[in-house]
Amino acid sequence: QQQVKQSPQSLIVQKGGIPIINCAYENTAFDYFPWYQQFPGKGPALLIAIRPDVSEKKEGRFTISFNKSAKQFSLHIMDSQPGDSATYFCAAKGNSGGSNYKLTFGKGTLLTVNP
Amino acid sequence: DAGITQSPRHKVTETGTPVTLRCHQTENHRYMYWYRQDPGHGLRLIHYSYGVKDTDKGEVSDGYSVSRSKTEDFLLTLESATSSQTSVYFCAISPGGGGSEQFFGPGTRLTVL
Repeated sequence: QQQVKQSPQSLIVQKGGIPIINCAYENTAFDYFPWYQQFPGKGPALLIAIRPDVSEKKEGRFTISFNKSAKQFSLHIMDSQPGDSATYFCAAKGNSGGSNYKLTFGKGTLLTVNP
Repeated sequence: DAGITQSPRHKVTETGTPVTLRCHQTENHRYMYWYRQDPGHGLRLIHYSYGVKDTDKGEVSDGYSVSRSKTEDFLLTLESATSSQTSVYFCAISPGGGGSEQFFGPGTRLTVL
């Protein structure tokens, strides 16, 4: 049973565009929401993360928007570049018991930024 | 890759043979994880460890076992490999604080014929 639903599966934008990737969760006991970036042939790498006590977090060109009441969070990439072309995963961490040690991942979004 | 190595990086094996994948870390992190990555499924947790000799199952643990006899090493064993276990396997580590900030290794591509 998937607990984190990610959309879209793939996304193509032009250089300078603002791709938006969305995630929705069902478990209200999640307390940490990271985004990972993965290039072909590499392991995922932490990009940016947010906790539910804030509605937005920005690091460079990457912004997470968080809507606690709707149980949704999204990644925005400002002024996207071809080098941002990668697969992006959202994830969520539980806050109790054994789930406190684990991340649940979305299925990923393949982003292509055309020059 | 945050002081994480995986070996082998590529392996081709036949159905029914045992396979062991190794994850080695130099960060002295308490938590270690094994994931598999398949198209359309994202990353799915197989097993994880929260200390030496302390392990637990993830969401896709059937057909896999793990062992952790030292802080730095976490082994994943496929007792009798099947074609459905063809995948890319990632190890991850995390410092204190549970599942926050997991750092991933470079991956092992396993093909079971």
